[in-house]
Amino acid sequence: SQQGEEDPQALSIQEGENATMNCSYKTSINNLQWYRQNSGRGLVHLILIRSNEREKHSGRLRVTLDTSKKSSSLLITASRAADTASYFCATDDPRSGYSTLTFGKGTMLLVSP
Amino acid sequence: DTGVSQDPRHKITKRGQNVTFRCDPISEHNRLYWYRQTLGQGPEFLTYFQNEAQLEKSRLLSDRFSAERPKGSFSTLEIQRTEQGDSAMYLCASVLPMQGVGDYGYTFGSGTRLTVV
Repeated sequence: SQQGEEDPQALSIQEGENATMNCSYKTSINNLQWYRQNSGRGLVHLILIRSNEREKHSGRLRVTLDTSKKSSSLLITASRAADTASYFCATDDPRSGYSTLTFGKGTMLLVSP
Repeated sequence: DTGVSQDPRHKITKRGQNVTFRCDPISEHNRLYWYRQTLGQGPEFLTYFQNEAQLEKSRLLSDRFSAERPKGSFSTLEIQRTEQGDSAMYLCASVLPMQGVGDYGYTFGSGTRLTVV
């Protein structure tokens, strides 16, 4: 079953604009991660935010986490055509001792030149 | 190549045939995961190895599926008597836990795309 649900399912923007994707989840977590997947390829780890953190930055990426609302957002600033990909949030389950991640269905981002 | 390697990249098989996929993780990563991803969905967990021990299996892993990781290095995922519903991308990921509880990120391979006809 999917733990996280991303919103929107698809997002189309112009180069230079910012892109915001949201993720909601259902159970308690140790951390939440965001991954990118180019068409037909494997996933690439972007950023991890722990449950006791509220905001984290990495380059053009900004992630927020609100554990009271069980939600997270990923902001990509000054988007580029190369950012076109699907973006997934993933949460681990503290009940599992093996750090198994549960992924959402993803947001498909299209950045037009 | 220091990434996670999966072989083959694509596999087309007839229904009822057996298939086997291979994953070579990053050498110092002791944790290895198999996931399955169908079109328009996120990856779904199949099974997990720590070194050579298979410690967790999803209910998605029916008795037609078997995974091994001999000697704690590469891993294989075998599907027996394939069905059309097995058509999916099969992803392998390895992890080197960093300092701190749960402080890690998966490194994924490029996946094996299986088509059952």
